Amino acid sequence: GIQVEQSPPDLILQEGANSTLRCNFSDSVNNLQWFHQNPWGQLINLFYIPSGTKQNGRLSATTVATERYSLLYISSSQTTDSGVYFCAVNRDDKIIFGKGTRLHILP
Amino acid sequence: DAGITQSPRHKVTETGTPVTLRCHQTENHRYMYWYRQDPGHGLRLIHYSYGVKDTDKGEVSDGYSVSRSKTEDFLLTLESATSSQTSVYFCAISRGLADNEQFFGPGTRLTVL
Repeated sequence: GIQVEQSPPDLILQEGANSTLRCNFSDSVNNLQWFHQNPWGQLINLFYIPSGTKQNGRLSATTVATERYSLLYISSSQTTDSGVYFCAVNRDDKIIFGKGTRLHILP
Repeated sequence: DAGITQSPRHKVTETGTPVTLRCHQTENHRYMYWYRQDPGHGLRLIHYSYGVKDTDKGEVSDGYSVSRSKTEDFLLTLESATSSQTSVYFCAISRGLADNEQFFGPGTRLTVL
């Protein structure tokens, strides 16, 4: 089946820093989503981005479907950005999640 | 807010007992999903439904069954709970076809002793 790899697995940054999270997938997909799981366990939708680039405030995402990767950019990090970031791809009615990037923003 | 609730939110049970988790949605969406989340594995799909009485297996379906008798409710049943089923269970909905955006419920933390 399709494989989804996220990197880095862990990231520790100072408040105000920028970061780039990567999601690689092994085959063509119908769509791709980015989620943030906050420290309370809630899964929050960030982007639905099968291709192209989207921006929402300090966050932006780019998916290059032909090269099978997506990037999530976080600028001017805040402590509230801490948590785990997941990408998930959809193919043939099945959703496959990566194992996530754990981000810790230090005050 | 996609109007998804899960019940119970927390449950502790003993090995061998049956357990049913409920997912309820208020917006009449066709697709509903059950996932489990475990350390080191991320989220894994257990079962999903694409309509009333229409369900299919995900990648970790062994030991679980599901039912959907109404559009708004999707039930996950552990017929005889085992300690390996200790996990956090998330329900999700998709507002359109299966390749549309998914939204998640708050989760249920299940502990099997």
